[in-house]
Amino acid sequence: DAKTTQPTSMDCAEGRAANLPCNHSTISGNEYVYWYRQIHSQGPQYIIHGLKNNETNEMASLIITEDRKSSTLILPHATLRDTAVYYCIATPHSGGGADGLTFGKGTHLIIQP
Amino acid sequence: DAGVTQSPTHLIKTRGQQVTLRCSPKSGHDTVSWYQQALGQGPQFIFQYYEEEERQRGNFPDRFSGHQFPNYSSELNVNALLLGDSALYLCASSLDTGKGEQYFGPGTRLTVT
Repeated sequence: DAKTTQPTSMDCAEGRAANLPCNHSTISGNEYVYWYRQIHSQGPQYIIHGLKNNETNEMASLIITEDRKSSTLILPHATLRDTAVYYCIATPHSGGGADGLTFGKGTHLIIQP
Repeated sequence: DAGVTQSPTHLIKTRGQQVTLRCSPKSGHDTVSWYQQALGQGPQFIFQYYEEEERQRGNFPDRFSGHQFPNYSSELNVNALLLGDSALYLCASSLDTGKGEQYFGPGTRLTVT
């Protein structure tokens, strides 16, 4: 898996958009960018993933730069429940299945009331 | 639809003992992965099971072994426990023909004294 670099922590005001950056400058052509988050004392939760196109689902949007060396996860209207550690992971698929994930230390996002 | 379940929730063992942790995957999922999460760190991939075989393995010693049953449930066994094995053990399930996202259980907190 390609190495990813994320800020250690970030603050965001409740109701505002939270933009979480991730650098993956050594990403390979077959590696997808995945985002997970982990709320305190719970297992990680899948958020979104993409290969090279921008993606959006009910939880978030993922913007991947054209050279694929970095990406941004956007939570459009952050709430207090979005306070969590967010992990950016670059990993290939194997025949459509999910490979073992390499988690870093992630970004601790704190939503301020 | 039940998500991923793990048992037990908490466990205390003595150094040198053996432990077995259990995981039931999300309904319809056929692949199970195990992760170890030390305090303050991101989860570390132990191994992945598919079709009752170990398909991938992370950098963990042979003291860590597993099994997958015909109903896709899985066990993680750790022999000769060390103090450093104290951690949250997470199970994740996925669909081999899916889009690659993994669904995590709440974890088993293992304390080795």
